[in-house]
Amino acid sequence: AQSVTQPDIHITVSEGASLELRCNYSYGATPYLFWYVQSPGQGLQLLLKYFSGDTLVQGIKGFEAEFKRSQSSFNLRKPSVHWSDAAEYFCAVCGTSGTYKYIFGTGTRLKVLA
Amino acid sequence: EPEVTQTPSHQVTQMGQEVILRCVPISNHLYFYWYRQILGQKVEFLVSFYNNEISEKSEIFDDQFSVERPDGSNFTLKIRSTKLEDSAMYFCASSDWTSGASYEQYFGPGTRLTVT
Repeated sequence: AQSVTQPDIHITVSEGASLELRCNYSYGATPYLFWYVQSPGQGLQLLLKYFSGDTLVQGIKGFEAEFKRSQSSFNLRKPSVHWSDAAEYFCAVCGTSGTYKYIFGTGTRLKVLA
Repeated sequence: EPEVTQTPSHQVTQMGQEVILRCVPISNHLYFYWYRQILGQKVEFLVSFYNNEISEKSEIFDDQFSVERPDGSNFTLKIRSTKLEDSAMYFCASSDWTSGASYEQYFGPGTRLTVT
């Protein structure tokens, strides 16, 4: 079955520290991959996406993610976290044919300590 | 920049009542979606809609749900007889259908539905 796993439900980091949020997927073929951020009570904002090509993708707000086919992973990173990065982060995949529905992970809630 | 809009932002209804959630997708998009997010949980796919018909639906999308594109701009989700467990944030999304861009979906801000 198609699924997305975000192993860390909560992560706490200090402001200025580096961050890595994990995402693993199970899919029949290499899907398209996305990271979204959601602030409390807000909608979904796209951080970055991977379709093909360079496996290291750059996104908004200083985020990047690396696609590793051998590990079925698409981990999100940021070298220096800001207090405003506190939010919930969702990894999502979609197929490369059909209806292109998104399958989301369960999310990782990020807390940033001042 | 074009965006997906949703109305209302918050809807409160009593159990058993019908609700209609409205969405205006981006104008040149042809694929439309509804997702829901129960408080504290992940976002779940409900239904996709293309060429005036449902192209895929999840097991959540049972007979109490329906979708419609009543005119050239709106896309609606109707819940016929709401239950307490329908309380959630409902997101509409749309995507383009040109040259491989169809996989990127643009999400609206959501409608928070509260069933009492």
